[in-house]
Amino acid sequence: GQQVMQIPQYQHVQEGEDFTTYCNSSTTLSNIQWYKQRPGGHPVFLIQLVKSGEVKKQKRLTFQFGEAKKNSSLHITATQTTDVGTYFCAGESRSNYQLIWGAGTKLIIKP
Amino acid sequence: SQTIHQWPATLVQPVGSPLSLECTVEGTSNPNLYWYRQAAGRGLQLLFYSVGIGQISSEVPQNLSASRPQDRQFILSSKKLLLSDSGFYLCAWSHRTVMNTEAFFGQGTRLTVV
Repeated sequence: GQQVMQIPQYQHVQEGEDFTTYCNSSTTLSNIQWYKQRPGGHPVFLIQLVKSGEVKKQKRLTFQFGEAKKNSSLHITATQTTDVGTYFCAGESRSNYQLIWGAGTKLIIKP
Repeated sequence: SQTIHQWPATLVQPVGSPLSLECTVEGTSNPNLYWYRQAAGRGLQLLFYSVGIGQISSEVPQNLSASRPQDRQFILSSKKLLLSDSGFYLCAWSHRTVMNTEAFFGQGTRLTVV
């Protein structure tokens, strides 16, 4: 079946360091979405990428969608304690329009 | 504006007891509705989704069931809970249009089966 692989599972960074998470789909996607889940909370939508090669920025967050619409990345510059949480990608299947979720990357800020 | 309500927030149930979790959406009509489960520290597992009243698709066979008695009401049930049913249950909705599938999540129910 269709899968979206997301790596790494965890990333420990010092505050101020950068963070990146990657998603790779087994099939071409219609779009890809990114969500953030704070500890103890529910996933909250961050952004949606639709076009091949699209790059979007939200302050210190940069989102990219690959040319083949099969991979995506989220990069956070100069992490802050407020960035702590788990970041999920979710790709929309072209066949049934359902979201296929990555397993998430947990961002941990080292004390 | 649209809102989604899910309750209860936490639940502790004994093994073998029944379960009923309810989710309602306000401010939109004909939404797609979803039930997800998230094990501790893990990703989201889609359990059920519904594109209309009485229409339920199951993604994973198990002892859970879902029903949609009204357009904006989605219920997750079990006749007899297992220990493995413990987890964080999330209800979500999305617009019906194919180009806008952003999911809006409820606050979640943390279920512990003891």
